[in-house]
Amino acid sequence: GDSVTQMEGPVTLSEEAFLTINCTYTATGYPSLFWYVQYPGEGLQLLLKATKADDKGSNKGFEATYRKETTSFHLEKGSVQVSDSAVYFCALRENTGFQKLVFGTGTRLLVSP
Amino acid sequence: GAGVSQSPSNKVTEKGKDVELRCDPISGHTALYWYRQSLGQGLEFLIYFQGNSAPDKSGLPSDRFSAERTGGSVSTLTIQRTQQEDSAVYLCASSPRVAGAVKDTQYFGPGTRLTVL
Repeated sequence: GDSVTQMEGPVTLSEEAFLTINCTYTATGYPSLFWYVQYPGEGLQLLLKATKADDKGSNKGFEATYRKETTSFHLEKGSVQVSDSAVYFCALRENTGFQKLVFGTGTRLLVSP
Repeated sequence: GAGVSQSPSNKVTEKGKDVELRCDPISGHTALYWYRQSLGQGLEFLIYFQGNSAPDKSGLPSDRFSAERTGGSVSTLTIQRTQQEDSAVYLCASSPRVAGAVKDTQYFGPGTRLTVL
């Protein structure tokens, strides 16, 4: 079945450092890809998405590019802030059928001042 | 506007008891999903509703789990004879599911944290 693999955390960075969180996927079709973020004590929020190959999703300084050739959707940010500390989930959704989300295990990001 | 709401936010129960978890989706959203977030298992899909029917129940882990949706709105997830391994955060999500649109975003509620002692 479909699956998502993302790097284990926690990822610990200093403020203004560059962030990469790796995500790769396995899917039989042509899924849409998502990054969700869960801030402490809050629910899951959509951070960005991409629906086809070579699309770049971006939001709040975060970016991810849908790479079909490497089946990847790595999350990047050029300069992290303390407020970015959260758990980040990579997910896919097939564009057919019932469109449930398949999530990675989540990566905790800790940013220190 | 109001987002997805879930109640209770926390539930502690004893092993063997039944529990009901409630989800109020965003008004007008016809698609509703339940997921479970647990240590060691990550986020897992449980069940999907389109209107009041559940065409995909493939994620329900056992026959102790059931869910219903009434009036195309509120959904209740019921766990009978709870076990310790049922301890998790249960998340509900809804999406507009406009006919013909296949790229709807799912909006998540804050979750219900269930602890089975």
